[in-house]
Amino acid sequence: TQLLEQSPQFLSIQEGENLTVYCNSSSVFSSLQWYRQEPGEGPVLLVTVVTGGEVKKLKRLTFQFGDARKDSSLHITAAQPGDTGLYLCAGEEGNNRLAFGKGNQVVVIP
Amino acid sequence: KAGVTQTPRYLIKTRGQQVTLSCSPISGHRSVSWYQQTPGQGLQFLFEYFSETQRNKGNFPGRFSGRQFSNSRSEMNVSTLELGDSALYLCASSFSPRADTEAFFGQGTRLTVV
Repeated sequence: TQLLEQSPQFLSIQEGENLTVYCNSSSVFSSLQWYRQEPGEGPVLLVTVVTGGEVKKLKRLTFQFGDARKDSSLHITAAQPGDTGLYLCAGEEGNNRLAFGKGNQVVVIP
Repeated sequence: KAGVTQTPRYLIKTRGQQVTLSCSPISGHRSVSWYQQTPGQGLQFLFEYFSETQRNKGNFPGRFSGRQFSNSRSEMNVSTLELGDSALYLCASSFSPRADTEAFFGQGTRLTVV
C-alpha cells in the first residue's frame, strides 16, 4: 500500500491553462515536500510545507498543506512548457525514512 | 558547488551478474540515501548512510547492499541480477540525516538487466 497517493497520475494541458494535482494520505505528516523531476534528471526540491493549512507560493506554483496535515495540493497558474515534469510529494514515514508518492506526470503543450 | 555525481549514467547487465554503482555527494554532506525508481512502484527507499554507518534500510532483499567511505562517497551493489532490477537508481545527499532535510539528488544510474 502506497503511503502517499498522488492524483491524477497523468495530466496533459495547453500552455496558459491552470492545473491542480493532489497528494493524499491517511497518515499525518509533520511536513511534506514537493519535488519536480525532469526527464533524465533527479528530483529537485521545490518546497517543504510544515504547518497545517499553510500556503506557499513559488512564482506561478502554489502549494497548500491540508489542515489535518494528511494531504497537500499543488496549483500551477498559466502553465508553461517549462513546467513539464514529474511532480513528487514526499513525507517522513517513520523511522526517519522519506516515502515518496508515485508522482503526477504533467505535460504542458505549447 | 558541484552537485551529486552518480556513475555510471547507463549500464546494461545480464541476469545473474552483479553491479556496483557509485555516488559522490555534495561536499560537506555526510548523509547519502539510495532509491530505486520504476514506473510501477515509483521511488522506493533502499538504504541510508551517515558517517559510514548504515542507519536505515528499506524492504529490499539481501542482494542489495551498500557502503559509505570516510570521504562520504557511497557505493551500492546488487548481486545476482534479476530482470526486475531494471530501474533508475538515484542517490541523494543531505547535510543532516533527518528525513525532513532537503535532499539533493544525482541524475541517477539507469540499469537495464537483459
